[in-house]
Amino acid sequence: SAVISQKPSRDICQRGTSLTIQCQVDSQVTMMFWYRQQPGQSLTLIATANQGSEATYESGFVIDKFPISRPNLTFSTLTVSNMSPEDSSIYLCSVRGGTGGSGSNEKLFFGSGTQLSVL
Amino acid sequence: GENVEQHPSTLSVQEGDSAVIKCTYSDSASNYFPWYKQELGKGPQLIIDIRSNVGEKKDQRIAVTLNKTAKHFSLHITETQPEDSAVYFCAARNQAGTALIFGKGTTLSVSS
Repeated sequence: SAVISQKPSRDICQRGTSLTIQCQVDSQVTMMFWYRQQPGQSLTLIATANQGSEATYESGFVIDKFPISRPNLTFSTLTVSNMSPEDSSIYLCSVRGGTGGSGSNEKLFFGSGTQLSVL
Repeated sequence: GENVEQHPSTLSVQEGDSAVIKCTYSDSASNYFPWYKQELGKGPQLIIDIRSNVGEKKDQRIAVTLNKTAKHFSLHITETQPEDSAVYFCAARNQAGTALIFGKGTTLSVSS
C-alpha cells in the first residue's frame, strides 16, 4: 500500500484565517481525494484532486472555500479558507492504489489526517 | 447518487464473541465494497474488500459477504479481541467509479 504523509497533524486556528494541508505520497498515484470527517461522523468527499487540471468538487463544496492544488502525481494541498468553527473537522487525504492493474487501482488508502480546530 | 446505510451505530460484545455489521447501498451499478477500521486519532485503515463478482471473502478472523440482489453486504468478525475495538466504516464505489461513499460508521466495543 502507498505511504501517505499528511501535515500538519493538527492545528488550532482563529476564525477568518486559512490553513493549507499538505499530502505527500511515496509513489506516483493517479487518483487523490480529500475527505472531511466532522466530529463523530462519517467521511464526506470534498473533491478529487486532478493532476494538471482543476479539482472536481462534490455537491456542497466550492473552490473558493477549499482550493486544491495537485502539481504532480505525488503531492497535493487542500486549503480551508476563511475558517469558521463549523470547519472544525478531521481532513483526510486519500489515494487510490497505484497506477497498475485494475485490482490495485480499486483500493483507497488514507493518510493519518489533520485535526483542525477553529476558535 | 450512491447512498450507503450502516447498522448498528454501536455494538458491544464480549471477548470471544462474534460481531456482525451490515450495510446497504442504493446504486445497483456499484461493484466494489471495502471495509475500514479507524482507531482514535488515526486515519481509516482498509481491512478487507470485496468485488461484486464474489459472494464472500475471508481473511483470518474477518469475513465479508455480499448479496447483490438485495444490495447489502456485511462484515463478520469472529473471536473478537479487545484490540478489535474501533469504529468500522463500510463503503461503496459511486456511480462515476472513482471515489468511495461511506456509511456512518459502527463503534465496536469488545470487553474482556
